[in-house]
Amino acid sequence: SPDLSQPPSVSVSPGDTATITCSADKLGSRYASWYQMKPGQSPVLVIFQDTKRPSGIPERFSGSNSGNTATLTIRWTQSTDEADYYCQAWDSDSVVFGGGTKLTVL
Amino acid sequence: QLQLQESGPGLVKPSQTLSLTCTVSPGFITTDGDYWSWIRHHPGKAPEWLGHIYYTGTTYDNPSLKTRLTLSVDTSKNQFSLTLRSVTAADTGVYYCARMSGTGNRKHFDHWGRGTLVTVSS
Repeated sequence: SPDLSQPPSVSVSPGDTATITCSADKLGSRYASWYQMKPGQSPVLVIFQDTKRPSGIPERFSGSNSGNTATLTIRWTQSTDEADYYCQAWDSDSVVFGGGTKLTVL
Repeated sequence: QLQLQESGPGLVKPSQTLSLTCTVSPGFITTDGDYWSWIRHHPGKAPEWLGHIYYTGTTYDNPSLKTRLTLSVDTSKNQFSLTLRSVTAADTGVYYCARMSGTGNRKHFDHWGRGTLVTVSS
């Protein structure tokens, strides 16, 4: 099983808020990043260092990390947000990823 | 906008060697603080970090692959490469190259290639 645990799927209606979690022991003491992956496209970094957004990423995307859980929040979800989302952190000297969450915008 | 492009064979026979190259443009692969990475992904599973390399040639490998993996960099061509020996069906997947930025455990992958599908099959 992956080192970081994510729910396999999250479904929301357009305009709603999507919340995707990533859990591991003491994850809050590490930095979490989040990636959006769509078939046939380059993955996109949407959040790094827990809360920071790269340039070009809408303010609708936000992140937090505390305790054992990092959270990606997408407000006013749009159909274009439908994708797989993966969290990533460091474990000692290795990079680890979560198993991914498929976000469906119904 | 930084672009990364993977190249290499899409089909490799079991027990043979997989070689992939990533070309970086525009800019320079020698930029201080940038690390050049390989990640592979089996759909439906967690992406797997394979390793990364600095332009000086210093490498950081996933311990699970250490004995089979070699990373190299060619600064004159703005390219970095992956060689994976003795492949099996378990090495099938989409291979991405990416730039890693940041410091310490703040490092993250801020630019990715589109990925290339590698199938290990006879």
